[in-house]
Amino acid sequence: DVKVTQSSRYLVKRTGEKVFLECVQDMDHENMFWYRQDPGLGLRLIYFSYDVKMKEKGDIPEGYSVSREKKERFSLILESASTNQTSMYLCASGRGLATSYEQYFGPGTRLTVT
Amino acid sequence: AQSVTQPDIHITVSEGASLELRCNYSYGATPYLFWYVQSPGQGLQLLLKYFSGDTLVQGIKGFEAEFKRSQSSFNLRKPSVHWSDAAEYFCAVGARNNQGGKLIFGQGTELSVKP
Repeated sequence: DVKVTQSSRYLVKRTGEKVFLECVQDMDHENMFWYRQDPGLGLRLIYFSYDVKMKEKGDIPEGYSVSREKKERFSLILESASTNQTSMYLCASGRGLATSYEQYFGPGTRLTVT
Repeated sequence: AQSVTQPDIHITVSEGASLELRCNYSYGATPYLFWYVQSPGQGLQLLLKYFSGDTLVQGIKGFEAEFKRSQSSFNLRKPSVHWSDAAEYFCAVGARNNQGGKLIFGQGTELSVKP
């Protein structure tokens, strides 16, 4: 079974703090993704990576950065957390083949910024 | 640009009744199509996918979906709903040959099941 794990299920941070969300996958997938999920808005892509040290902006990258130093690990960084970044954050991984785009998701991290 | 629309934000069905969740997409060619389910407090699980071939695809948990090119739709169906099907359902599309395998997700449909 593909397994995608996220470092925390729940996280509470203060405004202005630097926040790290970690994601690890165990299936040797090339692609990894960070989404945020908000009611009524579905999933919105923040950043994705299709190879180690490669990253691409998604639809809502402002206020976020990412790091992928190893194939299995993809980190999302909130440089200075703000209350509008309170959300559910989902990590996913997937193969890099043209015929296989399904993504496998972690359980999510519910981040509250106060 | 690609887009995905799930017209129904919330649907309630009785246990044992049939279910259809709608998904419409906007894309210049036939995309890859997916349905995911998210149980409360969980990540997303893939229900089924369409890449090519037979337009009626079977998935897990007794779900199926039909790709209709003329209507740009990929509706999800189940003949008899169980209480455990209560969850949020997401339709997603991906452009063929896009680097990184990006998907665009719909807004989601929340399904409630009445006993």
